[in-house]
Amino acid sequence: DIQLTQSPSFLSASVGDRVTITCRASQGINSDLAWYQQKPGKAPKLLIYAASFLQSGVPSRFSGSRSGTEFTLTISSLQPEDFATYYCQQLNTYPPPFGQGTKVEIK
Amino acid sequence: QVQLQESGPGLVKPSETLSLTCTVSGASVTSHYWSWIRQPPGKGLEWIGYIYYSGSTRYNPSLESRVTISIDTSKKQFSLDLRSVTAADTAVYYCARDSTFGWFDSWGQGTLVTVSS
Repeated sequence: DIQLTQSPSFLSASVGDRVTITCRASQGINSDLAWYQQKPGKAPKLLIYAASFLQSGVPSRFSGSRSGTEFTLTISSLQPEDFATYYCQQLNTYPPPFGQGTKVEIK
Repeated sequence: QVQLQESGPGLVKPSETLSLTCTVSGASVTSHYWSWIRQPPGKGLEWIGYIYYSGSTRYNPSLESRVTISIDTSKKQFSLDLRSVTAADTAVYYCARDSTFGWFDSWGQGTLVTVSS
């Protein structure tokens, strides 16, 4: 099975910071990756699909990229509402694995 | 706008069957795949399985022996049965729409199911 390793597990940042979260796949998965945001007590929300495509309605400060088997979620300028846990998910394989999550907290 | 809503008991006894229903509004259930995903308290996400409107299903091998997902297109509902539950099955259970390309673009709010006697 394909494994996804997210880093860091925890991130402390300030409003306005540029934040980068990485998800590394154990083998090649093309661009078959999505990113989600989850706030406490809420369902995950789709941010990015196919590695770099922004879901409709998601602010443009969020972006995704891929380099080989390494995928990156970037928040260009962290806003108060962005403090949450972020998950990556590999697409088109079953069972679809999720990363273990990255919690972004206020510094 | 598609909306999904889980319903079912919040407490299930060990060895019994966990049964949940997801009601879909704002979209047809005769398109897309419909999934169940769970999240133990304080932990990550685990895909349970999906169903297509035709009744075709696919399950996580780790749960396959205990899981059944069914659909009622006339009611725009799909359901999850998880048999022989233990405390390890305590989790928030989400229903979600699979975009067909593998990502989940709409989610229910989730329902906490606790397995305890």
